[in-house]
Amino acid sequence: GAVVSQHPSWVICKSGTSVKIECRSLDFQATTMFWYRQFPKQSLMLMATSNEGSKATYEQGVEKDKFLINHASLTLSTLTVTSAHPEDSSFYICSASQGTHSNQPQHFGDGTRLSIL
Amino acid sequence: QKEVEQNSGPLSVPEGAIASLNCTYSDRGSQSFFWYRQYSGKSPELIMFIYSNGDKEDGRFTAQLNKASQYVSLLIRDSQPSDSATYLCAVTQFYFGTGTSLTVIP
Repeated sequence: GAVVSQHPSWVICKSGTSVKIECRSLDFQATTMFWYRQFPKQSLMLMATSNEGSKATYEQGVEKDKFLINHASLTLSTLTVTSAHPEDSSFYICSASQGTHSNQPQHFGDGTRLSIL
Repeated sequence: QKEVEQNSGPLSVPEGAIASLNCTYSDRGSQSFFWYRQYSGKSPELIMFIYSNGDKEDGRFTAQLNKASQYVSLLIRDSQPSDSATYLCAVTQFYFGTGTSLTVIP
């Protein structure tokens, strides 16, 4: 149980393109979803937290107009990287939790490797 | 920002040995601690979590928590080559260490 599907797994596109990444919880209702970014040999950095039906909470230093997050239902959250540039190239990972309490473990998607040319 | 520190390694152990991974954290008020395993190019997968002081065992894995010392560790018994990965310590849900790279030598 607790499967999270993330799509696409790999994106290569030109600078200036907007890219949408989907994150779905397949067998449970995800009260909270999280979006992370991971650069090579570095740890996961939390970008934002989203709860179904409300605006995402962004971490300090993350541009909300650059990284648009929508959590339309209890099983789907999307991250749109708008007008992507080479410095946005990274491994983006979503996760989902069945509760809102910080003690709840997360279940991760398989990640999306984004390469901006 | 809550800091989570891990020795980046690499840590190498022979097959069958015990691998010991350590993590310290800065926020004394933290209540939940997680260990994840991440293979190269893949997302993290949850190994186990611990909330209370002491030891928690799950198969070959044992998590140890000492809140007074702000220290959490993961022991892997009978290490297997398939255990070779980066192990991430996380405090609450969100704050991850940089991970320790473990190599189990056949």
